[in-house]
Amino acid sequence: SQQGEEDPQALSIQEGENATMNCSYKTSINNLQWYRQNSGRGLVHLILIRSNEREKHSGRLRVTLDTSKKSSSLLITASRAADTASYFCATDGLSNTGKLIFGQGTTLQVKP
Amino acid sequence: NAGVTQTPKFRVLKTGQSMTLLCAQDMNHEYMYWYRQDPGMGLRLIHYSVGEGTTAKGEVPDGYNVSRLKKQNFLLGLESAAPSQTSVYFCASSYGGYEQFFGPGTRLTVL
Repeated sequence: SQQGEEDPQALSIQEGENATMNCSYKTSINNLQWYRQNSGRGLVHLILIRSNEREKHSGRLRVTLDTSKKSSSLLITASRAADTASYFCATDGLSNTGKLIFGQGTTLQVKP
Repeated sequence: NAGVTQTPKFRVLKTGQSMTLLCAQDMNHEYMYWYRQDPGMGLRLIHYSVGEGTTAKGEVPDGYNVSRLKKQNFLLGLESAAPSQTSVYFCASSYGGYEQFFGPGTRLTVL
């Protein structure tokens, strides 16, 4: 069974607005990662946050992690039409082999 | 660098046929993974490898076999394809088990 549950399943916003996606997971982790998938393409890594970190930034991306609630959020600020994609969280479940368990994803549409 | 490549990109099989999907990476990564993605779902791990000559089962291994004879290649085999194996298959590799680099995917249809 999949560890990550993402909310919302779909999100539609206007260009320039912020987009927030949430991820919940079930077991303890070493790290949590976020990936983006454009339609018909492979996944692209966005950001990794370790279990001892609470917040991390990368450009217009801000990720938070609350291990007590087993949840994470991805914020994309000042969204662009090019941000239209599916976003997945993935957790390692304390694996030392790099195995990831993916959530079902959030489909983001940014309207120009 | 080509990164992670997958062949073929598309394939249509009849039930009972066999095929092999090839994944190649040129980043000297130790770890390699095979996933399947079904409509509206995230990725599910089929098999993975932590080094040349090693393989291990993931979440959904039934009906698939893998081999890692060379560090840069990871093969996924379907011995007797079933319609339930219709999916998009992704290969990924990583160094140290962290960020994974994904290939473009193989779209497989089993009739």
